[in-house]
Amino acid sequence: QVQLVQSGAEVKKPGASVKVSCKASGYSFSSYYIHWVRQAPGQGLEWMGIIKSGGGSTSYAQQFLGRVTMTRDTSTSTVYMELSSLRSEDTAVYYCAREMATVTLDAFDVWGQGTMVTVSS
Amino acid sequence: EIVMTQSPATLSVSPGERATLSCRASQSVNTNLAWYQQKPGQAPRLLIYGASTRASGIPARFSGGGSGTEFTLTINSLQSEDFAVYYCQQYRKVYTFGQGTKLEIK
Repeated sequence: QVQLVQSGAEVKKPGASVKVSCKASGYSFSSYYIHWVRQAPGQGLEWMGIIKSGGGSTSYAQQFLGRVTMTRDTSTSTVYMELSSLRSEDTAVYYCAREMATVTLDAFDVWGQGTMVTVSS
Repeated sequence: EIVMTQSPATLSVSPGERATLSCRASQSVNTNLAWYQQKPGQAPRLLIYGASTRASGIPARFSGGGSGTEFTLTINSLQSEDFAVYYCQQYRKVYTFGQGTKLEIK
């Protein structure tokens, strides 16, 4: 079945970096885009950015420019999200999600299970 | 940036009754609007896309409507499993989510 499986929980100190993985299966990896969305404890959903799994091009939300890097490995159908210069406000669950189509912008039909990232000294 | 505003923040409804959730966009998003359901400890699940099309496997009691800047999600004959948080999302220009509506048991 179509699924996205993310890496496990992380605990990081302020100023460090974290890299979260998202492994896709059950569909043609290069044919879809993957997004990253985060959710702070008790808060709503915040879009972080997109990576086009085929070509690897990216687009990031303004508030993460300079701190986030999204990459992919087509040989393992895995997408990565690295966030640097971590601060306590980055404590959140990070989700990867697949966009339904690629011709125009579309909704997210498949989500990973989420990865909890805790930033604490 | 297109700002999405959901109302109410919390909605209390009895099982078996109908719930209507609202979502307003700060500028027109045409019908580039999705609704998601999220239960505690779970990832969001896509319910509606294109403002009114149910995603695969979504029961017919869920329906979406609206276009431009005003949208609604209606859930008929509420079941116990429907009590959750609901988010709208626009994908007309980049992607932004509403702050969510918590649907709770009355």
